[in-house]
This record gives sequence, C-alpha cells and structure tokens, in this order.
Amino acid sequence: DQQVKQNSPSLSVQEGRISILNCDYTNSMFDYFLWYKKYPAEGPTFLISISSIKDKNEDGRFTVFLNKSAKHLSLHIVPSQPGDSAVYFCAARAGGGNKLTFGTGTQLKVEL
Amino acid sequence: DAGVIQSPRHEVTEMGQEVTLRCKPISGHDYLFWYRQTMMRGLELLIYFNNNVPIDDSGMPEDRFSAKMPNASFSTLKIQPSEPRDSAVYFCASSLRSNQPQHFGDGTRLSIL
Repeated sequence: DQQVKQNSPSLSVQEGRISILNCDYTNSMFDYFLWYKKYPAEGPTFLISISSIKDKNEDGRFTVFLNKSAKHLSLHIVPSQPGDSAVYFCAARAGGGNKLTFGTGTQLKVEL
Repeated sequence: DAGVIQSPRHEVTEMGQEVTLRCKPISGHDYLFWYRQTMMRGLELLIYFNNNVPIDDSGMPEDRFSAKMPNASFSTLKIQPSEPRDSAVYFCASSLRSNQPQHFGDGTRLSIL
C-alpha cells in the first residue's frame, strides 16, 4: 500500500524548459513534505521541503507546490539544466515524527 | 567534512550466508536511519535510532533482519540467513536533530545469489 505515489517513472525535458514532477499521497496525517534528488551510485540528497501550512516554497530554480485538498504536490525546476538529470524522490512525514515515507521516484532526463 | 559512510559498497553472497552492512553517521548527529531501496517499493524505512537506542523497527521485514548501534559512531544491519529477495540497495542516513533533513550515505548494493 503506497501512501506516497509518483506515477511517472520517467520524464524527459529539453534544457531551458520547465520540469514538473508530481507526487500524490493518501495519508491525511502527512503534514511535511520533502524532495530528494539522487544521482547513480550515490545516496539521495535533500533538495527542498514544504510544510502543510504553506502552499508554495521556492529555492532558486526549485519550487514546490502543495495542494492539500487534492493531496498533491509538485516540484518545478526552471530552467532545467543537464545537471538536473537524476531520480527525484518525494517523501512525507506525519505529526512531527522522524519517519519518512518515500515514493518510488521519477527519473528526470534533461536533454540538450 | 565527511558524510555518512557505508561499507561495503557492494556485496555479493550466496543464499543462506550472513550479511553485515556497516554505517558511520555524521559526527554529532543524534538520529540514524536504515533504508532499503527496491524498484517496486522505492525507499522503505527499516529502522531508526535516537542516541543509539532503537526507536521504531516496524519496517524490519522479518526476524532474519537485525540492527544494532553500539555507539554514536557505528551501526550495523545484519541479515541471517540471507535470501535472494533481500537483494536491494541499503542506505544509511543520519540527521542532526529530530525533524532535520536526513543525510544519506552512498548505499550498499547487496546481491544474494
């Protein structure tokens, strides 16, 4: 039972365009969401997060949007760069706890 | 500034053998997490420790899996006996305090033949 779902296993975008990665969740107790980025043969690295009291958080080229009513969040990367090619994991936690529930990841490929 | 260090990076062993994965968290970090990554299920939390004490092991799949943290700078994840379905990438992560971002090691790719 996947409580955090990333339904697109892969996404291909041209350099300079916007990349939009999507994530859905089912557990209404989740109140904090994170995105991690992972290169091959390396561990995931933290990218950006958002609390459920907000609907948007921005950090440079990366913006995360949260739609609580739809239980949906998205990560926007603008402009996309070849170095952004990686697997992106969405994660969620509930009630200030330490347990993260991850999605299965989306492989982003940014083409020249 | 050293990150989370895991060893070995790769492990290939035969079914039935004991496997021990090792992790050194970032110095000063109070929390340590063990995850397993598979294609079908993504990253799953197996167990986590706070100040060397196991807090939640509900993700540990079976009694064949055990984890210890004898001191603040070392943890092990042991599988005995190992089975082919245990093949996956195992990650260790640590965080400074509760609710801080987790920093991951580069993982151990485990193959059970």
